[in-house]
Amino acid sequence: GENVEQHPSTLSVQEGDSAVIKCTYSDSASNYFPWYKQELGKGPQLIIDIRSNVGEKKDQRIAVTLNKTAKHFSLHITETQPEDSAVYFCAASKRAGANNLFFGTGTRLTVIP
Amino acid sequence: DADVTQTPRNRITKTGKRIMLECSQTKGHDRMYWYRQDPGLGLRLIYYSFDVKDINKGEISDGYSVSRQAQAKFSLALESAIPNQTALYFCATGGGSNTEAFFGQGTRLTVV
Repeated sequence: GENVEQHPSTLSVQEGDSAVIKCTYSDSASNYFPWYKQELGKGPQLIIDIRSNVGEKKDQRIAVTLNKTAKHFSLHITETQPEDSAVYFCAASKRAGANNLFFGTGTRLTVIP
Repeated sequence: DADVTQTPRNRITKTGKRIMLECSQTKGHDRMYWYRQDPGLGLRLIYYSFDVKDINKGEISDGYSVSRQAQAKFSLALESAIPNQTALYFCATGGGSNTEAFFGQGTRLTVV
C-alpha cells in the first residue's frame, strides 16, 4: 500500500513569514494529492489539492508543488497569519474515492503574532 | 448547521462497555467513512460504505463494527471497548467518485 511521510511534525513561524510542509509518498501510481487543515475542535477540511499532471497550484497565499520524479509534494503558505495556526495533513491517492486516501501524520503549525 | 454531524462530541466509557458513535449527514452523499485519529499516526480508515447495503473494512477494522441504517446515517460500534481505542473519531462523507472527504467535527472517546 501507499506510505505517506510528512515533515516537520511541528512548525512555528513569525506572523508574516512563510511556512513550508513537505510530504513524500511511496507509490508511483498515486496521482492525487490533497492538503487538509484541521483547526482546534474541528474536523479536517480540504484547502488545496493537486493532480499528477500539474507541477504547481496556487490559491491566494497557499500553494502546492509536486515533484513526481522524486515522489514528494509540499505545501507553501506565504504571509502567514495567526488564523493559519492549525494541524495540516497531506494525503495521496491513486484511485478515486476517499477510502483510497492515505494520510500523512500531520504538522502542527503555530503562527506567532 | 453542520453538513456532517457526529454525536456524542465527547465520551468517557469503561473498559468492556459497548459504545455507539453516531453520524448523520445532509450533503446527500452516497459514501460515508469512519476514521480514527491518534497523535503521530494521522488519520486511519476504519470502515466505509458506498450505500445502504454496502459495508467495507478499512485499514484498522478489528474491534469495530458499523451499520448503515439509511443513506444519511452511519454508526460505529465498539462492541467491548478497550483503553487503546481511546482516540479522536471522525465520520466523513464523499460524493460518487470524488476523492474529497467532508469531515464531521469528531468524537473524542476515552476508554478507562
